[in-house]
Amino acid sequence: SQQGEEDPQALSIQEGENATMNCSYKTSINNLQWYRQNSGRGLVHLILIRSNEREKHSGRLRVTLDTSKKSSSLLITASRAADTASYFCATGFSSNTGKLIFGQGTTLQVKP
Amino acid sequence: SAVISQKPSRDICQRGTSLTIQCQVDSQVTMMFWYRQQPGQSLTLIATANQGSEATYESGFVIDKFPISRPNLTFSTLTVSNMSPEDSSIYLCSVAPVPPGGPGGYTFGSGTRLTVV
Repeated sequence: SQQGEEDPQALSIQEGENATMNCSYKTSINNLQWYRQNSGRGLVHLILIRSNEREKHSGRLRVTLDTSKKSSSLLITASRAADTASYFCATGFSSNTGKLIFGQGTTLQVKP
Repeated sequence: SAVISQKPSRDICQRGTSLTIQCQVDSQVTMMFWYRQQPGQSLTLIATANQGSEATYESGFVIDKFPISRPNLTFSTLTVSNMSPEDSSIYLCSVAPVPPGGPGGYTFGSGTRLTVV
């Protein structure tokens, strides 16, 4: 079953603009990760944030985590047409089963 | 991070038949997982493939429909049995970093796009 929800489900922006995607989850987590998927192929790991971290940066990516609200956001700054893809958050559990449970995903279109 | 070779990349199968999907990892990994992604949807975890023992299935998935083998720490197969059009999906294998929750992310195979006609 899906752990949480993402919004928006779809986002269309112009190249150079920033894109923000939000993810909510339901249970206690060990970490939260963001992945990108191009055209229904394999997923690419973008960034991981641990439950004791509040913000993390990687290049043009900024992730925040609010465990009190059980929510996270992914910000992509200065977007490019190549950023067009589906983005998924995934939660790893404190039970350390190793399982990743995925959110519903946001489809991002960046127009040149 | 690990590199996964997943085969086949796509297949079109007749209803009632079975398809076996293979994932080969270039290094030994403890935790290996199988996911299903239905058209336009997110990934749903099918099961955890355990080396040397039976797979651990998530709610809604059963061994008779999705038998999984994990003969060693670098290889696993997922079989989709007695297929119906509802099984048309992308199937992906994934491995966890060592240790799980470590700084790297999970690695995914490139996926098998299955169409059942």
